[in-house]
Amino acid sequence: SQKIEQNSEALNIQEGKTATLTCNYTNYSPAYLQWYRQDPGRGPVFLLLIRENEKEKRKERLKVTFDTTLKQSLFHITASQPADSATYLCASPGRGGFKTIFGAGTRLFVKA
Amino acid sequence: DAGVIQSPRHEVTEMGQEVTLRCKPISGHDYLFWYRQTMMRGLELLIYFNNNVPIDDSGMPEDRFSAKMPNASFSTLKIQPSEPRDSAVYFCASSPGLTERTQYFGPGTRLLVL
Repeated sequence: SQKIEQNSEALNIQEGKTATLTCNYTNYSPAYLQWYRQDPGRGPVFLLLIRENEKEKRKERLKVTFDTTLKQSLFHITASQPADSATYLCASPGRGGFKTIFGAGTRLFVKA
Repeated sequence: DAGVIQSPRHEVTEMGQEVTLRCKPISGHDYLFWYRQTMMRGLELLIYFNNNVPIDDSGMPEDRFSAKMPNASFSTLKIQPSEPRDSAVYFCASSPGLTERTQYFGPGTRLLVL
C-alpha cells in the first residue's frame, strides 16, 4: 500500500542554521508532494507543492526538492528562527479519488 | 474569508454519550474532509465529500461514526456511542477542488471521552 515516511525523531537545531527534513514514499509514484506546517493546537497549514518533474522549488527561506529516483523529498529551512519551530508534514495524493496521504510529521525545534 | 470553522473546540464527554462535531468549510470549496489525529496514528482521513456527496468513507472506523453534509456550508461528524479510544483531535478541511488538492484545515476539535 502507499506509504509516506518521515523521521519521527525530533530535529533540534541552532538558530541561523539550515534545517533539513526528509520525506520518503514507497509503493507508488506521486505526481507531486506537498509540505504543511502544524503548530501545537492548530490545524496544518499548506506551505509548498513540488511536482515530479520539478527538481527544486523555493519560497522565501524554504526550499523543497523532489528526487524520483530516491523516492524522496527534502524540505529545507535556511537561516532558521525559533518561530520556525513546529511540526512539518509531508503529503501526497492517494490513489484514486481526491484522497491525500499525510506522513506522521517531523517536529522541529530551533533554539535561540 | 474566515477560514474553516469548527465547533466545539473542546469536548469532554463520558463513554456511551453521543458526540456531534460541526464544520463550516470555506465558501466556494467543493471538497470537505474529516480527519482524526492521534500521536499513535497521525493524521487519518475518515471521510470526504464532493459537492455535499460522500465519496469515500473507507476511513470511518466503524458504524459508530457517521458524517453528513446537508448543504455546501455545513457538515457534521457524529460518534454514537462514544468510547475512550475515540479521544483524539478531529480536523475538518476543505479544498477548492483544483488538481493540486491543497487543503485548508480548521482549528480542530479536541475530544476527550472518559
